[in-house]
Amino acid sequence: DAGVTQSPTHLIKTRGQHVTLRCSPISGHKSVSWYQQVLGQGPQFIFQYYEKEERGRGNFPDRFSARQFPNYSSELNVNALLLGDSALYLCASRGRGEYEQYFGPGTRLTVT
Amino acid sequence: AQSVTQPDIHITVSEGASLELRCNYSYGATPYLFWYVQSPGQGLQLLLKYFSGDTLVQGIKGFEAEFKRSQSSFNLRKPSVHWSDAAEYFCAVGKAAGNKLTFGGGTRVLVKP
Repeated sequence: DAGVTQSPTHLIKTRGQHVTLRCSPISGHKSVSWYQQVLGQGPQFIFQYYEKEERGRGNFPDRFSARQFPNYSSELNVNALLLGDSALYLCASRGRGEYEQYFGPGTRLTVT
Repeated sequence: AQSVTQPDIHITVSEGASLELRCNYSYGATPYLFWYVQSPGQGLQLLLKYFSGDTLVQGIKGFEAEFKRSQSSFNLRKPSVHWSDAAEYFCAVGKAAGNKLTFGGGTRVLVKP
């Protein structure tokens, strides 16, 4: 079975632009979470969605938003990009009744 | 609020030697603890997890970890490291019913031949 997939792999944007990152969970997983990993640090929780509803939000500004689709894939949107948004964005999925999360390879976002 | 501390930023170990990575957590209830490994430019791979029961848990790639409630620790060990174990290791704590994971800052492991 395929693991968590994310697209694109790499992305370069300019300050002030908008970006959309995509994630497909493991088949059968209905929970998707997003994390931001700045270089040299551990991942920081951004959002969690379950059954298309937001179930958790980390300490990120309103420029960050997300949604989950009927097929349980998810998008992370970031508006008005800042240099500090440059990071590896990780998506993770979780199966029902499980506590462990399985991570995708990430999207490397560079803001110039 | 939950938090995780990994005191060692870098560890260098010779191939074939043993490895121990430290993790201390702060959490008000029974923690759900995880160790993940990340190779350069890659996502996170789950090595092992602890929810309850036996405090010594076995994971993939020959790793094990021991939960010590009295010390709020969940240290990762491997008896004999291989060059392929060079990577960054993250300890994380999660809630029982929630989905948010709180990660430590990571420990980068370098393996000398």
